[in-house]
Amino acid sequence: QSALTQPASVSGSPGQSITISCTGTSSDVGGYNYVSWYQQHPGKAPKLIVYEVSNRPSGVSNRFSGSKSGNTASLTISGLQSEDEADYYCSSYISSHNIGDVFGTGTRVTVL
Amino acid sequence: EVQLVESGGGLVQPGGSLRLSCAASGFTFSSYWMHWVRQAPGKGLVWVSRINNDGSTTGYADSVKGRSTISRDNAKNTLYLQMNSLRPEDTAVYYCARDRNTAADSWGQGTLVTVSS
Repeated sequence: QSALTQPASVSGSPGQSITISCTGTSSDVGGYNYVSWYQQHPGKAPKLIVYEVSNRPSGVSNRFSGSKSGNTASLTISGLQSEDEADYYCSSYISSHNIGDVFGTGTRVTVL
Repeated sequence: EVQLVESGGGLVQPGGSLRLSCAASGFTFSSYWMHWVRQAPGKGLVWVSRINNDGSTTGYADSVKGRSTISRDNAKNTLYLQMNSLRPEDTAVYYCARDRNTAADSWGQGTLVTVSS
């Protein structure tokens, strides 16, 4: 159950687009369309922003979009805003007898 | 409104035990799988455990397998995590979360567990 690999930090200016990658294996990200993304502001609980690779829960801005290619999933934030400054985590279902999940290492997004 | 409220955290000595609870409201608790996720101070999220809606199927991270037991009482709308043989590396905020299509769509505010002598 090794953590999925994310870049430690990504930054962008207001209005720009940024993309966060999430790399796993064929046993997790590559094997299922069960990749989720979470946003976490300091001192707060995580918030689901994308599920099943590219679906957004009700109420989540359409500036957040998800995709997947092979063993790598991606989260794109378009029209970057100051409130997007937070930590972002991907997560994937993993194939095993243990019905498990695995999170990514996390990415700190900084709005310049 | 979905509400998840964790309790039961605190300071415990290495080797000790603790039972965390998560009181659910605002949705039909018995219809949903549930998760426990933890976050050590200043670190990332780590999935801990999942249980299906009737409690018959469970899963655990390797780091807690054999030391922790997830369970639920659907009559009381409450999720539990029994943790034994606690280690300093188990120190973390523990969140419960509702599962929807394998994603955690609602989260509690967390309860802090500190393992230290």
